[in-house]
Amino acid sequence: DTEVTQTPKHLVMGMTNKKSLKCEQHMGHRAMYWYKQKAKKPPELMFVYSYEKLSINESVPSRFSPECPNSSLLNLHLHALQPEDSALYLCASSQPTGAYGYTFGSGTRLTVV
Amino acid sequence: AQSVTQLGSHVSVSEGALVLLRCNYSSSVPPYLFWYVQYPNQGLQLLLKYTTGATLVKGINGFEAEFKKSETSFHLTKPSAHMSDAAEYFCAVSSSSGSARQLTFGSGTQLTVLP
Repeated sequence: DTEVTQTPKHLVMGMTNKKSLKCEQHMGHRAMYWYKQKAKKPPELMFVYSYEKLSINESVPSRFSPECPNSSLLNLHLHALQPEDSALYLCASSQPTGAYGYTFGSGTRLTVV
Repeated sequence: AQSVTQLGSHVSVSEGALVLLRCNYSSSVPPYLFWYVQYPNQGLQLLLKYTTGATLVKGINGFEAEFKKSETSFHLTKPSAHMSDAAEYFCAVSSSSGSARQLTFGSGTQLTVLP
């Protein structure tokens, strides 16, 4: 299995809702990542988990809460989002060295209304 | 900190013409360099990577890139463009931070292929 699977593919949520994005990989990768991508922009790193521990938090607002329950799963819990948080959220995985490349999922298109 | 700069936010080529997308990197240590392609409303697909070894790297779909340390460049080329190559292309560098390496992207180049 050489894929990163993200669910859901599309999500519309109100500013008072709580929702979660899910990411799963079965490549044995021990590093997982959340990126945010606005239209016509490059992906921006949000969080890095290495060996199931949060390694990097790029000063992301607390309304985004990551969770790594095990080495194959990565969640992003969303609460009280703002319309400007609407974006494509991409999950990626790699070996911690990054030497073999990073595999990306197809993303979740999030719209906050 | 490591970074990459992509020259040209938009590049247009005719079908069958050479594709050249430029990427320069800044790094105080030997970098890991990557090219990714993104089609509309999709995730990123790895085209090729340079970590160590041979400086001319061949990737998928006929793309290749050459790591030139003296020029701090990692330009992406394809001898003959196809209509299906139209997409956004990102150059990226992998840098170390604690126990993990993070991937940092350039601003991207939109490739248009003209019939």
